[in-house]
Amino acid sequence: GNSVTQMEGPVTLSEEAFLTINCTYTATGYPSLFWYVQYPGEGLQLLLKATKADDKGSNKGFEATYRKETTSFHLEKGSVQVSDSAVYFCALSDGGTSGSRLTFGEGTQLTVNP
Amino acid sequence: NAGVTQTPKFQVLKTGQSMTLQCAQDMNHNSMYWYRQDPGMGLRLIYYSASEGTTDKGEVPNGYNVSRLNKREFSLRLESAAPSQTSVYFCASSDGQGRSYNSPLHFGNGTRLTVT
Repeated sequence: GNSVTQMEGPVTLSEEAFLTINCTYTATGYPSLFWYVQYPGEGLQLLLKATKADDKGSNKGFEATYRKETTSFHLEKGSVQVSDSAVYFCALSDGGTSGSRLTFGEGTQLTVNP
Repeated sequence: NAGVTQTPKFQVLKTGQSMTLQCAQDMNHNSMYWYRQDPGMGLRLIYYSASEGTTDKGEVPNGYNVSRLNKREFSLRLESAAPSQTSVYFCASSDGQGRSYNSPLHFGNGTRLTVT
């Protein structure tokens, strides 16, 4: 079946540091890949997505590139801010015909200190 | 625009009690989902409804039932709560139907359930 593996957290960085959160996946077919972010006390929000190999998703300074050869979708940001502190989830869609069923990774807690 | 609204926000149950978690969306989405979130395990799909009138089991359906009451509402019922069902429950909706599997999910703010 499908699965998503994220780097273990928590991750603690200083403001303006470079961020990488690793994500690898196992899937049949050609899934779409997503990063969701969860701020404290809230539900998940879509951060970015990529729907085919070599696509780059980007939003709010975050980027991730769909690498089919390494089955990866690592999240990066060049200069993090305190407001980026949240839990980040990598996810893939099963590409089926029953709506947008997603398989999520375990989540990575990011804390950014001033 | 409210988006996805879940009630209640918090609930404490004793083992064996029953309850229904309510979810409503105002985005005219076709598909709705119930996930549970547990530490170190990410989100796991309990049930989903690809369209009004249909429901299907997800990854962890045991101990739960659902009802897609109409296009807006999708409820999750625990008939006999167990401590293993202590979790945070999220409802979500999307426009995804048929081949529209790229449609993002819109989540509610969650229900924190404790079963003692």
